[in-house]
This record gives sequence, structure tokens and C-alpha cells, in this order.
Amino acid sequence: GDSVTQMEGPVTLSEEAFLTINCTYTATGYPSLFWYVQYPGEGLQLLLKATKADDKGSNKGFEATYRKETTSFHLEKGSVQVSDSAVYFCALSVRRGSTLGRLYFGRGTQLTVWP
Amino acid sequence: GAGVSQSPSNKVTEKGKDVELRCDPISGHTALYWYRQRLGQGLEFLIYFQGNSAPDKSGLPSDRFSAERTGESVSTLTIQRTQQEDSAVYLCASSLGVGVSSYNSPLHFGNGTRLTVT
Repeated sequence: GDSVTQMEGPVTLSEEAFLTINCTYTATGYPSLFWYVQYPGEGLQLLLKATKADDKGSNKGFEATYRKETTSFHLEKGSVQVSDSAVYFCALSVRRGSTLGRLYFGRGTQLTVWP
Repeated sequence: GAGVSQSPSNKVTEKGKDVELRCDPISGHTALYWYRQRLGQGLEFLIYFQGNSAPDKSGLPSDRFSAERTGESVSTLTIQRTQQEDSAVYLCASSLGVGVSSYNSPLHFGNGTRLTVT
């Protein structure tokens, strides 16, 4: 079936450290991949997305590359800030014909950045 | 409104009671989703609406759970005879949901309803 496996947290980093959160997927069709972020006290919001193999999504200094050969979509940021502290969710949707695919989410990774 | 609105934001109920959760999607969004997030868990899909019909109800955990949507707008999720394991944050999301470009249209989430069954 369709699923996402995400690195478990929590992840604790110092400001300006490099961040990687691993995400791998299994998909029975043509997947699109997403990272969502949930800041404290707020709703989930889209961080970035990639809709085909080798696409790179980027936003707010975060990047993720859709790697079909390794079925991965790892999230990276070169220098994290305190304000990046949040829960990050990897997600995938698979379209089949004209059917709009629902999102399958990973379990989420709690990131805490210390000054 | 500007975003997805859910009410109530918090609900405490006694085991065995029925509860109704409400979602107002973004105007013009034809696709609407319900997810559940238990403490320390990921998002669990419950049901998806395209317009007023529900092509995917596969995530509803039991026949105590039901949902409806009217006028391609408001949706209500009803849980009958609540159990303690129903305690979770119930999230609603909406998206454009129309046409090929909608395959990748992002979901816009509400802030959720935190349900506690005592």
C-alpha cells in the first residue's frame, strides 16, 4: 500500500546547526511528496512539495529532493533558527486516473532549536 | 473566512455520549478531509469529501463514526457512544479538489478540535 516512514524524534539542535529529517515512502501509483509543518499552537501548513522525480522543493531555507531511486524525500536546512522549532510531517499523495489522492502522513518529527 | 474553521476548539465529554464536530472549509474548496491525531501519533485519515459525496470513507474506525457535508461547505463529524480511545485532536482540511491541477493543491488545515472522553 501507500505509506510514509519518517525519522522519529525528538530532534534537538543548536542554532545554526545543519538539519536532516529522513523520510522514505512506498507508493502504488504516481506520488507527489510534501512536507508540512506545525508550529506551536498553530495548524498544519504546507512547507514545500515536489510533484515528480528529481524535483526539489524549497521554502524558508528548507529543501527536499524527490529521489525515486531511493524512494526518499529527506528534509534539510543548512542553518536552523530557534523559530524553526516545530513538528514536521512528511506526506505523500498518489493519483490514480482522475481520482484525487488523499494525503498519507508520517508520524511527525519534533524539532527543538536552542539559542 | 480566511482559513479553515473548526468548532469547538475543545470538547470534554463523558464516555457513552455523542459528540458533533464542525468544519467550515475555505470558500470555493470542493475537497474536504477529516484526520485524527492521537497523542504522540501521526495523522490518521478518516474520510474525504469531494463536493457533498464521500468517495473514500475507508478511514472511519467504526460504525460509531459518521460524517456528512452539505452545500459543498460545512461538514460535521459525529461520534456516537464515545469511548476513551476516541480522545484525540480531530483535524479538518480543505483543498481545491477540482481538475488535474488539484492533484497537487495543498491541503489547508484548521486548528483542530481537541476531544477528551472521560
